[in-house]
Order: sequence, then C-alpha cells, then structure tokens
Amino acid sequence: KNQVEQSPQSLIILEGKNCTLQCNYTVSPFSNLRWYKQDTGRGPVSLTIMTFSENTKSNGRYTATLDADTKQSSLHITASQLSDSASYICVVRGSSYKLIFGSGTRLLVRP
Amino acid sequence: DSGVTQTPKHLITATGQRVTLRCSPRSGDLSVYWYQQSLDQGLQFLIQYYNGEERAKGNILERFSAQQFPDLHSELNLSSLELGDSALYFCASSSAWAPGGDTQYFGPGTRLTVL
Repeated sequence: KNQVEQSPQSLIILEGKNCTLQCNYTVSPFSNLRWYKQDTGRGPVSLTIMTFSENTKSNGRYTATLDADTKQSSLHITASQLSDSASYICVVRGSSYKLIFGSGTRLLVRP
Repeated sequence: DSGVTQTPKHLITATGQRVTLRCSPRSGDLSVYWYQQSLDQGLQFLIQYYNGEERAKGNILERFSAQQFPDLHSELNLSSLELGDSALYFCASSSAWAPGGDTQYFGPGTRLTVL
C-alpha cells in the first residue's frame, strides 16, 4: 500500500536551534517528493521538490535530503526562527501521477 | 500571495444544505485542484481539472461535485451537508496537466462550518 509517514508528529524547539523532520514512504514507483510549509489556517507553500536522482536541495535555511534506496527524506531547518512555526507536509508523487500526502509534522519554535 | 483566490473565506450552514465554493487560479494556470483538510487532519486530495476536463479523482464523495469553466475558474459543490464535512477547503493551481508535475500554488482556503 502506498503510504507516506512523517515523524515526529509534533516538535518544540528553541529559537536559533536546528531541527530535522523525517518522511518515510512506501510509494512505488516513485516520481518526486515535495516538502510544503503550512502556516495555521493558510494554504501550503512549496519549499522544495526532489526527483529520483537528487540527493540534496536547499531553499534558504531549509535543506531537504532524499535517499531513494531507503525511501527516506528529511527536511533540516537551520537556525530556526519564530516564523518557522508551522506544519511541514511531505508529498510523494507515485504512479499514474497520484499524490500521496503525509499527515505532517507540527513545529513550534519558542523564543 | 499565491495569486489563487477563493471565495467565500468563511461559510456557515446547516446540515442537509448545499453550498458552492469558488476558486480562481493563477493567471496562465490551466490545472485546478481541490483539497479538504479537516481539523488536525492532513490534506485530502479531492479532484483535479485541467483546461475544463476532469483529470484526476481522489477521495471525493458522491455528494460533492466540481467543474471548471471556460474562463478556468472552478467551483466545488457540496450537497446534503453533514457535520463531518466541516473543514478547510483549499484550491490549488498549476500549469501542468499531470498532478505533482510542477509546483501547485494554494489559495487561502474556505472554512466551512456545518451546524
């Protein structure tokens, strides 16, 4: 069964600290993987998209990694800011262009 | 601002009623997607239209229907509403016909409350 699982479910960190969010998927065949940031009550915003051949992609303080062999991805946030408080959603595109959504990780950055 | 507009922002209605949610995609985008997000739940893909034609279908109930008009705006119709239909409904647009083929830009959402 095609699934996308994210961990942790929620995370609290202090401002300025780094953190890493995980995404494991069983989707096959794999087309691409995207990370979204969703502020509370607002629409998701795309952070990065990675295809099979890409290992790392950065977007400012956000760095995504992909290991297609182990079907794992991570999103690393460096020097966190209060504005990073949001839900982070991992989405995998599989066969027939089907999009499989993870349930998200809720991040809270405290001053 | 993603360039995707949704109306209304909030909608409160009663069980058994019917409502219509409207979405205008970004200029130049031909694909429109509809998503449902219940409280503390993940995004659920409902349906996609590309240039007026239904392109992909997700977990959309039979009580729900959608269409995309020649001017590319889209409407999501929800009928025989139940309490469980209370959720945020997002519209997204992209230029590609294949879901996930390029970046989807999300609108601000419509919050539906069914009493």
